[in-house]
Amino acid sequence: GQQLNQSPQSMFIQEGEDVSMNCTSSSIFNTWLWYKQDPGEGPVLLIALYKAGELTSNGRLTAQFGITRKDSFLNISASIPSDVGIYFCAGADQGGSEKLVFGKGTKLTVNP
Amino acid sequence: GAVVSQHPSRVICKSGTSVKIECRSLDFQATTMFWYRQFPKQSLMLMATSNEGSKATYEQGVEKDKFLINHASLTLSTLTVTSAHPEDSSFYICSASSAADTQYFGPGTRLTVL
Repeated sequence: GQQLNQSPQSMFIQEGEDVSMNCTSSSIFNTWLWYKQDPGEGPVLLIALYKAGELTSNGRLTAQFGITRKDSFLNISASIPSDVGIYFCAGADQGGSEKLVFGKGTKLTVNP
Repeated sequence: GAVVSQHPSRVICKSGTSVKIECRSLDFQATTMFWYRQFPKQSLMLMATSNEGSKATYEQGVEKDKFLINHASLTLSTLTVTSAHPEDSSFYICSASSAADTQYFGPGTRLTVL
């Protein structure tokens, strides 16, 4: 099925560094969502974006909904060890209560 | 708010048996629930979408007779893996949403079929 292009696939960083990951799509989405998944757990919603150009923060996390509605990025500032996990982007045609299209995930490793 | 639970968290069963997984929205009414399957190091794969009181809509390639989905109330959906085989071993995750909000995911159920 349809998937988003999420990059990078994996990242290895030092504690305290900033991180950036992004998702692109060949088609337009009206909602972009970012989730984090810890091993053996379900994804947890980090940030939801509903408007093109929107920039939203959640603590050390910042995400933007691209102007073209075909991309989004997630930044994590001053990373800490508990940021370790897999980050997924997801696109939706409406508000996200319907079918989502997922990226393949970015695996983040933070070295203390 | 927006808490979704799944039960059991892990289950081991013998080949040929059926396994039922429950998904509950604890603090909101879920008009729609989704069932996903996730293989190691892969993304989530949508299996089916269910709306309360109606039949589930299955994604292409998902056998509806093998993966029975029931969404009998606004807070409960069940996935039954019938006549499970080792290749059905996977991590099954549900999500739930109300009409006005996005999806919230359950903690997942690890199914191992021996």
